Amino acid sequence: AQSVTQLDSHVSVSEGTPVLLRCNYSSSYSPSLFWYVQHPNKGLQLLLKYTSAATLVKGINGFEAEFKKSETSFHLTKPSAHMSDAAEYFCVVSEGAGNNRKLIWGLGTSLAVNP
Amino acid sequence: DAGVIQSPRHEVTEMGQEVTLRCKPISGHNSLFWYRQTMMRGLELLIYFNNNVPIDDSGMPEDRFSAKMPNASFSTLKIQPSEPRDSAVYFCASSPLMEQFFGPGTRLTVL
Repeated sequence: AQSVTQLDSHVSVSEGTPVLLRCNYSSSYSPSLFWYVQHPNKGLQLLLKYTSAATLVKGINGFEAEFKKSETSFHLTKPSAHMSDAAEYFCVVSEGAGNNRKLIWGLGTSLAVNP
Repeated sequence: DAGVIQSPRHEVTEMGQEVTLRCKPISGHNSLFWYRQTMMRGLELLIYFNNNVPIDDSGMPEDRFSAKMPNASFSTLKIQPSEPRDSAVYFCASSPLMEQFFGPGTRLTVL
């Protein structure tokens, strides 16, 4: 069965230090993978996506993620955290298309950025 | 483009009342999703439509919940009768192919 595991429910970093949010997935097919961000009391916004092209994906606000099939991982990184990065981050796996589409959401990782 | 539009943005109602949440997807998007978010349960997919047809409603909590998509530009999520445990933020999202575009959400409070 498909699944998504966000390995940390909370991550706390200092401003200016690297960010690593971990996501592992299981999938029977070639999945598409996404990271979404939700700032406090806001809707969700797409950060980046992997859809079987380049394995290193660049997103908005300086975030990147690397698809590693051998490790079934899609970790989200950023070299230097800003205070504005404090938010909830969701990893999502999508399989199939049209009427056969399946979406699996991770439970989210709350990122705190300390001054 | 105005993005996904949801109304109302906030709804406060009393237990037992009917609640209708509305969503206008982005024009040209052929998939529409309804989600519920609470502190206790996180983000839950309730139902999704493809080309106006409900495809997967396994996340709909019970018969009190129903969703319709009469045309490509409008969807409703109805709760009848509402209960306090339905209090949550309800998001609608539309999708052209892969990624989803979310509306601002409707914050529902059932007293």
